[in-house]
Amino acid sequence: KQEVTQIPAALSVPEGENLVLNCSFTDSAIYNLQWFRQDPGKGLTSLLLIQSSQREQTSGRLNASLDKSSGRSTLYIAASQPGDSATYLCAVEGSNYQLIWGAGTKLIIKP
Amino acid sequence: EADIYQTPRYLVIGTGKKITLECSQTMGHDKMYWYQQDPGMELHLIHYSYGVNSTEKGDLSSESTVSRIRTEHFPLTLESARPSHTSQYLCASSAPGTINSPLHFGNGTRLTVT
Repeated sequence: KQEVTQIPAALSVPEGENLVLNCSFTDSAIYNLQWFRQDPGKGLTSLLLIQSSQREQTSGRLNASLDKSSGRSTLYIAASQPGDSATYLCAVEGSNYQLIWGAGTKLIIKP
Repeated sequence: EADIYQTPRYLVIGTGKKITLECSQTMGHDKMYWYQQDPGMELHLIHYSYGVNSTEKGDLSSESTVSRIRTEHFPLTLESARPSHTSQYLCASSAPGTINSPLHFGNGTRLTVT
């Protein structure tokens, strides 16, 4: 059974720092891995989707990598800003076309 | 800008009441999903649909039902609300066709059952 883990559960860093969020999964038979952002009391916003054949995806200051063999993905945020404060969730899509979710990392960027 | 809409945004209701959470999307997406999310926890799939008149149960479906009569509309019904149903309910959709289509989420309905 696929399990997705995100560590740490919470992270607080000063503005301007580069940071890395981690996501690990137990079953490497995935179609894709997705990163989402969730603001308090809101739904989720899709940030990046990495297909199983890809190694990384980039969007602006965000870069997500995927290492299927080790069951890991990272989300790199460059030059962090207070507006980046949110909860970041990862999810993997497996052979049954369903997403399995991590519990998220709550990120706080201090001005 | 969200093209998937959920109503109500907040709902407080007494135990035993029947409630329907509404979800509509204007993107023509075939796939629609209902998730339940407790604070600080992962999302759990309640129901999903891959098109009109097609609905499937997820992990937490036993106390709720859905219908998909129109492509754009995917309501979730709790026949008899209980305090254990207190949670945030998120509706999502994705484009038709292949896998690797990102999900689009509504802003959620926060339900409190007293």
